[in-house]
Amino acid sequence: EPEVTQTPSHQVTQMGQEVILRCVPISNHLYFYWYRQILGQKVEFLVSFYNNEISEKSEIFDDQFSVERPDGSNFTLKIRSTKLEDSAMYFCASSVILAGPTDTQYFGPGTRLTVL
Amino acid sequence: GNSVTQMEGPVTLSEEAFLTINCTYTATGYPSLFWYVQYPGEGLQLLLKATKADDKGSNKGFEATYRKETTSFHLEKGSVQVSDSAVYFCAPADRGSTLGRLYFGRGTQLTVWP
Repeated sequence: EPEVTQTPSHQVTQMGQEVILRCVPISNHLYFYWYRQILGQKVEFLVSFYNNEISEKSEIFDDQFSVERPDGSNFTLKIRSTKLEDSAMYFCASSVILAGPTDTQYFGPGTRLTVL
Repeated sequence: GNSVTQMEGPVTLSEEAFLTINCTYTATGYPSLFWYVQYPGEGLQLLLKATKADDKGSNKGFEATYRKETTSFHLEKGSVQVSDSAVYFCAPADRGSTLGRLYFGRGTQLTVWP
Protein backbone atom coordinates (compact mmCIF):
# COMPACT_ATOMS: atom_id res chain seq x y z
CA GLU A 1 0.00 0.00 0.00
CA PRO A 2 1.40 3.43 -0.91
CA GLU A 3 2.49 5.55 2.01
CA VAL A 4 3.91 8.93 2.84
CA THR A 5 7.57 8.81 3.81
CA GLN A 6 9.63 11.35 5.73
CA THR A 7 13.35 11.84 6.24
CA PRO A 8 15.17 12.04 8.49
CA SER A 9 13.34 10.34 11.31
CA HIS A 10 15.28 12.43 13.83
CA GLN A 11 17.17 15.68 13.24
CA VAL A 12 19.29 17.40 15.85
CA THR A 13 20.45 20.93 15.15
CA GLN A 14 21.90 23.97 16.86
CA MET A 15 19.79 27.04 17.46
CA GLY A 16 20.06 29.44 14.54
CA GLN A 17 20.82 26.75 11.99
CA GLU A 18 18.71 26.02 8.94
CA VAL A 19 16.98 22.67 8.62
CA ILE A 20 15.13 21.03 5.78
CA LEU A 21 12.64 18.31 6.49
CA ARG A 22 11.76 16.10 3.58
CA CYS A 23 8.62 14.28 2.63
CA VAL A 24 7.64 12.06 -0.26
CA PRO A 25 3.85 12.16 -0.61
CA ILE A 26 1.84 9.36 -2.17
CA SER A 27 2.53 9.52 -5.87
CA ASN A 28 -0.88 10.47 -7.30
CA HIS A 29 -1.71 12.94 -4.52
CA LEU A 30 -1.95 16.62 -5.30
CA TYR A 31 -2.50 18.30 -1.94
CA PHE A 32 0.17 18.50 0.71
CA TYR A 33 0.32 19.54 4.34
CA TRP A 34 2.66 20.04 7.26
CA TYR A 35 1.62 19.69 10.88
CA ARG A 36 3.67 19.65 14.03
CA GLN A 37 3.32 18.38 17.58
CA ILE A 38 5.34 19.87 20.40
CA LEU A 39 5.86 17.26 23.10
CA GLY A 40 2.80 16.97 25.28
CA GLN A 41 0.75 19.37 23.16
CA LYS A 42 -1.77 19.15 20.35
CA VAL A 43 -0.98 18.38 16.75
CA GLU A 44 -1.09 21.78 15.01
CA PHE A 45 -1.58 22.69 11.38
CA LEU A 46 1.24 24.63 9.74
CA VAL A 47 0.54 24.89 6.03
CA SER A 48 -1.28 23.40 3.06
CA PHE A 49 0.03 23.42 -0.50
CA TYR A 50 -1.45 22.84 -3.92
CA ASN A 51 -0.35 23.55 -7.46
CA ASN A 52 3.00 24.92 -6.31
CA GLU A 53 1.40 27.48 -4.06
CA ILE A 54 0.58 27.78 -0.41
CA SER A 55 -3.16 27.38 -0.01
CA GLU A 56 -3.39 28.22 3.66
CA LYS A 57 -1.01 28.79 6.54
CA SER A 58 -1.43 29.12 10.25
CA GLU A 59 -0.11 31.84 12.52
CA ILE A 60 2.75 29.51 13.44
CA PHE A 61 4.01 29.52 9.84
CA ASP A 62 5.93 32.78 9.92
CA ASP A 63 8.72 34.08 7.69
CA GLN A 64 11.16 31.56 9.14
CA PHE A 65 9.25 28.75 7.48
CA SER A 66 8.96 27.92 3.82
CA VAL A 67 7.75 24.98 1.75
CA GLU A 68 8.72 23.78 -1.64
CA ARG A 69 8.03 21.03 -4.10
CA PRO A 70 11.41 20.98 -5.84
CA ASP A 71 10.60 18.07 -8.12
CA GLY A 72 7.76 15.71 -8.88
CA SER A 73 8.14 13.66 -5.75
CA ASN A 74 9.50 15.64 -2.80
CA PHE A 75 7.80 18.16 -0.57
CA THR A 76 10.04 20.01 1.85
CA LEU A 77 9.68 22.20 4.91
CA LYS A 78 12.54 24.60 5.59
CA ILE A 79 13.13 26.43 8.83
CA ARG A 80 15.67 29.18 8.18
CA SER A 81 16.92 29.91 11.66
CA THR A 82 15.76 27.40 14.19
CA LYS A 83 14.68 28.34 17.70
CA LEU A 84 14.47 26.17 20.78
CA GLU A 85 10.68 26.30 20.55
CA ASP A 86 10.77 24.71 17.09
CA SER A 87 11.61 21.39 18.73
CA ALA A 88 8.70 19.14 17.84
CA MET A 89 7.56 16.19 15.77
CA TYR A 90 6.78 17.36 12.24
CA PHE A 91 4.24 15.42 10.20
CA CYS A 92 3.76 15.60 6.46
CA ALA A 93 0.42 14.61 4.92
CA SER A 94 -1.08 14.35 1.47
CA SER A 95 -4.52 13.86 -0.03
CA VAL A 96 -5.66 12.91 -3.47
CA ILE A 97 -8.78 14.72 -4.60
CA LEU A 98 -10.34 18.06 -3.95
CA ALA A 99 -13.44 17.05 -2.07
CA GLY A 100 -12.14 19.41 0.57
CA PRO A 101 -12.80 18.61 4.19
CA THR A 102 -14.13 15.13 3.50
CA ASP A 103 -10.84 14.01 1.98
CA THR A 104 -8.64 11.73 3.99
CA GLN A 105 -5.22 13.12 4.69
CA TYR A 106 -2.54 10.40 4.72
CA PHE A 107 0.26 11.06 7.19
CA GLY A 108 3.91 10.16 7.27
CA PRO A 109 5.68 8.79 10.37
CA GLY A 110 7.07 12.17 11.31
CA THR A 111 10.47 13.79 11.79
CA ARG A 112 11.49 14.57 15.34
CA LEU A 113 13.36 17.87 15.34
CA THR A 114 15.49 18.69 18.37
CA VAL A 115 16.96 22.19 18.59
CA LEU A 116 19.79 22.60 21.08
CA GLY B 1 -12.58 29.55 16.13
CA ASN B 2 -12.30 25.78 15.93
CA SER B 3 -11.15 23.65 18.84
CA VAL B 4 -11.29 20.08 20.09
CA THR B 5 -11.58 18.75 23.61
CA GLN B 6 -10.58 15.15 23.93
CA MET B 7 -10.64 12.87 26.93
CA GLU B 8 -7.40 12.98 28.85
CA GLY B 9 -5.35 9.84 29.00
CA PRO B 10 -3.78 7.56 29.63
CA VAL B 11 -6.53 4.97 29.48
CA THR B 12 -5.67 1.47 30.66
CA LEU B 13 -8.03 -1.42 30.01
CA SER B 14 -8.05 -5.17 30.12
CA GLU B 15 -8.55 -7.11 26.93
CA GLU B 16 -12.23 -7.41 25.91
CA ALA B 17 -13.23 -4.35 27.94
CA PHE B 18 -15.48 -1.64 26.50
CA LEU B 19 -13.80 1.52 25.33
CA THR B 20 -15.12 5.07 25.11
CA ILE B 21 -12.95 8.07 24.28
CA ASN B 22 -14.91 11.30 24.43
CA CYS B 23 -14.45 14.08 21.91
CA THR B 24 -16.30 17.37 21.65
CA TYR B 25 -15.56 20.20 19.29
CA THR B 26 -16.37 23.80 18.59
CA ALA B 27 -16.54 24.96 15.01
CA THR B 28 -17.67 28.02 13.13
CA GLY B 29 -19.13 25.85 10.39
CA TYR B 30 -20.20 22.29 9.90
CA PRO B 31 -17.03 20.25 9.97
CA SER B 32 -16.23 16.75 8.80
CA LEU B 33 -15.02 14.62 11.70
CA PHE B 34 -12.13 12.18 11.83
CA TRP B 35 -10.47 9.83 14.27
CA TYR B 36 -6.81 9.12 13.64
CA VAL B 37 -4.69 6.50 15.40
CA GLN B 38 -0.95 6.41 15.95
CA TYR B 39 0.62 3.05 16.69
CA PRO B 40 4.07 3.07 18.33
CA GLY B 41 6.75 4.25 15.91
CA GLU B 42 4.30 4.96 13.11
CA GLY B 43 2.51 7.94 11.58
CA LEU B 44 -1.08 9.04 12.00
CA GLN B 45 -3.52 6.67 10.29
CA LEU B 46 -7.14 7.37 9.56
CA LEU B 47 -9.33 5.17 11.74
CA LEU B 48 -12.77 6.40 10.71
CA LYS B 49 -14.66 9.47 9.60
CA ALA B 50 -18.13 10.99 9.33
CA THR B 51 -19.11 13.88 7.11
CA LYS B 52 -22.64 14.81 8.15
CA ALA B 53 -24.93 14.74 11.14
CA ASP B 54 -25.97 11.29 12.38
CA ASP B 55 -23.42 9.57 10.15
CA LYS B 56 -21.68 6.68 11.86
CA GLY B 57 -18.09 5.99 10.95
CA SER B 58 -16.77 2.51 11.64
CA ASN B 59 -13.60 0.51 11.14
CA LYS B 60 -11.87 -2.41 12.89
CA GLY B 61 -14.69 -2.64 15.43
CA PHE B 62 -14.45 1.05 16.34
CA GLU B 63 -17.44 3.33 15.86
CA ALA B 64 -18.22 7.01 16.26
CA THR B 65 -21.43 8.89 15.50
CA TYR B 66 -21.57 12.52 14.37
CA ARG B 67 -23.77 14.26 16.93
CA LYS B 68 -24.39 17.76 15.73
CA GLU B 69 -26.70 18.70 18.61
CA THR B 70 -24.04 17.91 21.21
CA THR B 71 -21.06 18.70 18.93
CA SER B 72 -19.54 15.36 19.82
CA PHE B 73 -17.86 12.44 18.08
CA HIS B 74 -17.12 9.89 20.78
CA LEU B 75 -15.09 6.83 19.84
CA GLU B 76 -16.29 3.42 21.06
CA LYS B 77 -15.29 -0.19 20.77
CA GLY B 78 -17.13 -3.05 22.38
CA SER B 79 -14.16 -5.31 23.05
CA VAL B 80 -10.62 -3.98 22.89
CA GLN B 81 -7.57 -6.05 22.02
CA VAL B 82 -3.93 -5.69 23.00
CA SER B 83 -3.23 -4.64 19.42
CA ASP B 84 -5.46 -1.57 19.91
CA SER B 85 -2.85 -0.03 22.19
CA ALA B 86 -2.04 3.29 20.54
CA VAL B 87 -2.69 7.02 20.72
CA TYR B 88 -6.07 8.13 19.37
CA PHE B 89 -6.71 11.63 17.98
CA CYS B 90 -10.02 13.30 17.32
CA ALA B 91 -9.80 15.80 14.44
CA PRO B 92 -12.51 17.94 12.87
CA ALA B 93 -11.75 19.33 9.43
CA ASP B 94 -12.54 22.95 8.79
CA ARG B 95 -15.04 23.29 5.94
CA GLY B 96 -14.16 26.93 5.70
CA SER B 97 -10.64 25.95 4.79
CA THR B 98 -9.87 25.32 1.12
CA LEU B 99 -8.00 22.09 1.70
CA GLY B 100 -9.72 21.06 4.90
CA ARG B 101 -7.13 21.73 7.56
CA LEU B 102 -7.49 19.40 10.51
CA TYR B 103 -7.80 20.52 14.12
CA PHE B 104 -6.47 17.88 16.48
CA GLY B 105 -7.17 17.04 20.07
CA ARG B 106 -4.27 16.26 22.41
CA GLY B 107 -4.56 12.55 21.79
CA THR B 108 -5.55 9.79 24.19
CA GLN B 109 -3.06 7.09 25.00
CA LEU B 110 -4.73 3.68 25.23
CA THR B 111 -2.98 0.69 26.76
CA VAL B 112 -4.69 -2.69 26.69
CA TRP B 113 -3.41 -5.46 28.95
CA PRO B 114 -3.92 -9.16 28.20
